[in-house]
Amino acid sequence: GAGVSQSPRYKVAKRGQDVALRCDPISGHVSLFWYQQALGQGPEFLTYFQNEAQLDKSGLPSDRFFAERPEGSVSTLKIQRTQQEDSAVYLCASSLVPSGRQETQYFGPGTRLLVL
Amino acid sequence: DQQVKQNSPSLSVQEGRISILNCDYTNSMFDYFLWYKKYPAEGPTFLISISSIKDKNEDGRFTVFLNKSAKHLSLHIVPSQPGDSAVYFCAATLETGANNLFFGTGTRLTVIP
Repeated sequence: GAGVSQSPRYKVAKRGQDVALRCDPISGHVSLFWYQQALGQGPEFLTYFQNEAQLDKSGLPSDRFFAERPEGSVSTLKIQRTQQEDSAVYLCASSLVPSGRQETQYFGPGTRLLVL
Repeated sequence: DQQVKQNSPSLSVQEGRISILNCDYTNSMFDYFLWYKKYPAEGPTFLISISSIKDKNEDGRFTVFLNKSAKHLSLHIVPSQPGDSAVYFCAATLETGANNLFFGTGTRLTVIP
């Protein structure tokens, strides 16, 4: 079956531009996560959705970062007024069950963002 | 503050031998641990997991060991194969909350034919 997909795969932005990154989770997966992976580091949690509800956004680094999942499936991560430190791979993951239970997360290939 | 640590950035092993990747954590509230494998330009792929109530979980060539008192886990791959060459991430989740993953910085494994 289809896995998690993300688009675009690569994005180059000029500093100050707004970007939007898309995630299509596995069909039927309730939970959706966004992670940021800087070069040479492990992924770091940004935000979590259960269906359309954003239940945890504690990892978002600033108010320039905004995520939504209006219909409980596709999610968009938006970064306003991009800065060079936003350059990273942005990973989306989904899992079948809601929070509070141990469940494997399935990751997409990521969007590599480069801010010049 | 890094709550999950992988202190070896790289490891090289001969084909057929055992690979041992190590991971340490600081938060005693972690209750579920996972290993992910990552190839270049791809997202992490789930490999194996272990609950905090166990000390060992085995799946084919892969075995994960958990030592809660030492806050340490390890992944054993035996026998190692060239296709195992990748970056391996250790990750952990908390007992409560969103179950977001806390990742280590990864260990690059190279299996030499």
